Amino acid sequence: TAGITQAPTSQILAAGRSMTLRCTQDMRHNAMYWYRQDLGLGLRLIHYSNTAGTTGKGEVPDGYSVSRANTDDFPLTLASAVPSQTSVYFCASSPGTGSDTQYFGPGTRLTVL
Amino acid sequence: GQNIDQPTEMTATEGAIVQINCTYQTSGFNGLFWYQQHAGEAPTFLSYNVLDGLEEKGRFSSFLSRSKGYSYLLLKELQMKDSASYLCAVRDSNYQLIWGAGTKLIIKP
Repeated sequence: TAGITQAPTSQILAAGRSMTLRCTQDMRHNAMYWYRQDLGLGLRLIHYSNTAGTTGKGEVPDGYSVSRANTDDFPLTLASAVPSQTSVYFCASSPGTGSDTQYFGPGTRLTVL
Repeated sequence: GQNIDQPTEMTATEGAIVQINCTYQTSGFNGLFWYQQHAGEAPTFLSYNVLDGLEEKGRFSSFLSRSKGYSYLLLKELQMKDSASYLCAVRDSNYQLIWGAGTKLIIKP
């Protein structure tokens, strides 16, 4: 199985432009997550979804939005990108939200200029 | 606030044993995870502890002391492929993962 896929692999974006990072999983996991990873910092949760149709805000949600129309897809949108959003973005999923292990996609490296 | 502390970098020799420590202060505790992340790749799951004690999985073991807010990851018989960052994460009272910044492990021949 593919597990979790993310697209694009990398992107350079002009400040002020919008962009959607795609995330798709084929494991039928209920919960999905978006993290950003910056040098010297731990992974930080942006948004999460415990099940299709619901979303929640994580630690650093400002400037980002998500939707969860179905079980498989969890896109992350930057409405108007700023240079501080330059980061590596990881999507993850887990079967549930209790003690379940999270499984990560390969990441998207985003540079905002 | 919530805090996870790990050493930034460690160096060890191929074939040796290394212990990576993690201390945490979080609002609630619902388990501790260790992940491995090779440079440029995604984190991958290594171990999970929710009760005090040692969990062993082949060359890797993870220990937890909830009363001390402390865990360690023990890697035995180090191989060059073990060169990676090791991430400690704690699940808090809201069942969200709080992540440490990771420990970069360098293995020398």
